[in-house]
Amino acid sequence: DGGITQSPKYLFRKEGQNVTLSCEQNLNHDAMYWYRQDPGQGLRLIYYSQIVNDFQKGDIAEGYSVSREKKESFPLTVTSAQKNPTAFYLCASSQGPGAFFGQGTRLTVV
Amino acid sequence: KQEVTQIPAALSVPEGENLVLNCSFTDSAIYNLQWFRQDPGKGLTSLLLIQSSQREQTSGRLNASLDKSSGRSTLYIAASQPGDSATYLCAVSRTGGSYIPTFGRGTSLIVHP
Repeated sequence: DGGITQSPKYLFRKEGQNVTLSCEQNLNHDAMYWYRQDPGQGLRLIYYSQIVNDFQKGDIAEGYSVSREKKESFPLTVTSAQKNPTAFYLCASSQGPGAFFGQGTRLTVV
Repeated sequence: KQEVTQIPAALSVPEGENLVLNCSFTDSAIYNLQWFRQDPGKGLTSLLLIQSSQREQTSGRLNASLDKSSGRSTLYIAASQPGDSATYLCAVSRTGGSYIPTFGRGTSLIVHP
């Protein structure tokens, strides 16, 4: 069953910690994306990758880092430099027109 | 920079009504436009994708139109049902290269019995 899997579904972070959100796809898509969603803000692009071993900053990349060592995986690390990380994070992939999304990870700072 | 606006922000209607959700964008040089549905706490489900060369797409009770010259798209929902209650988002992509969606803030729809 092809799709995008994000894990975990819920994640809690203490102040000053780095946490990593997982995104895996078995759609054989070249491009992958990370978005952040806040209430009333819509989706904002954090990072995107068009091909393995290459990625670009989006509109709100500060405090985040990514890697793309494998085609099927695009993990997002929320670093301690991100001062307001509490949000819903969505991963997507595409191959040509149209994007497919995972079910999201809700990150909360405690 | 592309900006996407969705109107209205929220909508509450009785079951059975026909609905129109609006999406406008500032840069008409788009590659395609995609409508999504999002249920609370969930990811996005693609509803309809309109390529820049197309004028509309239909799927069941849903019809989406695209007018690039005016920078507008509409999502028409016929005979609304309570199960249609969700947030509807539109996303437009840049021309050429890879698909990098820019999203509107969405329309929150409630269809009550």
